[in-house]
Amino acid sequence: DIQMTQSPSSLSASVGDRVTITCRASQSISNHLNWYQHKPGKAPKLLIYATSTLRSGVPARFSGSGSGTEFTLTINSLQPEDFGTYSCQHRHSYPITFGQGTRLEIK
Amino acid sequence: EVQLVESGGGLVQPGGSLRLSCAASGFTFSDSWMSWVRQAPRRGLEWVANIKPDGSVKNYVESVKGRFTISRDNAKNSLYLQMNSLRAEDTAMYYCARDHVVYADASDIWGQGTMVAVSS
Repeated sequence: DIQMTQSPSSLSASVGDRVTITCRASQSISNHLNWYQHKPGKAPKLLIYATSTLRSGVPARFSGSGSGTEFTLTINSLQPEDFGTYSCQHRHSYPITFGQGTRLEIK
Repeated sequence: EVQLVESGGGLVQPGGSLRLSCAASGFTFSDSWMSWVRQAPRRGLEWVANIKPDGSVKNYVESVKGRFTISRDNAKNSLYLQMNSLRAEDTAMYYCARDHVVYADASDIWGQGTMVAVSS
């Protein structure tokens, strides 16, 4: 199975900050990497698919990059509504796996 | 409105069974791969299973193989997860989700989830 490891596990940042979350795969997954945002009591939301493609309707301050085994999610100019947990997911092979999540708190 | 609504969760004793349902609306369910994803308390998301639009292909995470069965009824726009021989470690919020080829098979629609608690 491909293991997905995110870092950091949690972080606290201020409105306007730039935030970067890293996701590492235990083997190459090409660009088969997706990012989700998850808030308590709500359904997870797809933000970015295929490593770097922003889903329609997602603010342009979100971006993704990487390939192979190392990927990043960047949030430029953090907004109050960006709190929540961010999870990466690979779709390279079965079983599909997620990272453990990064909890983002707004200071 | 595009929507997925899960139901069927609850409290069950170890070794027991539950059947989760997911009602889809607002999109062509019969054309869609569908998944079940769960999140245990204080844990990350875990993909559980998915199923091809015609039901002919099913994939499972190793920990549920032989105990859980994913199925669908396209006439009823419904997805199911039959869970047998439940264990404490199956305690989680269970979400159904649509996997869409437009999004490189990422899950673009999610339900609000249904909670399953396995405890004596």
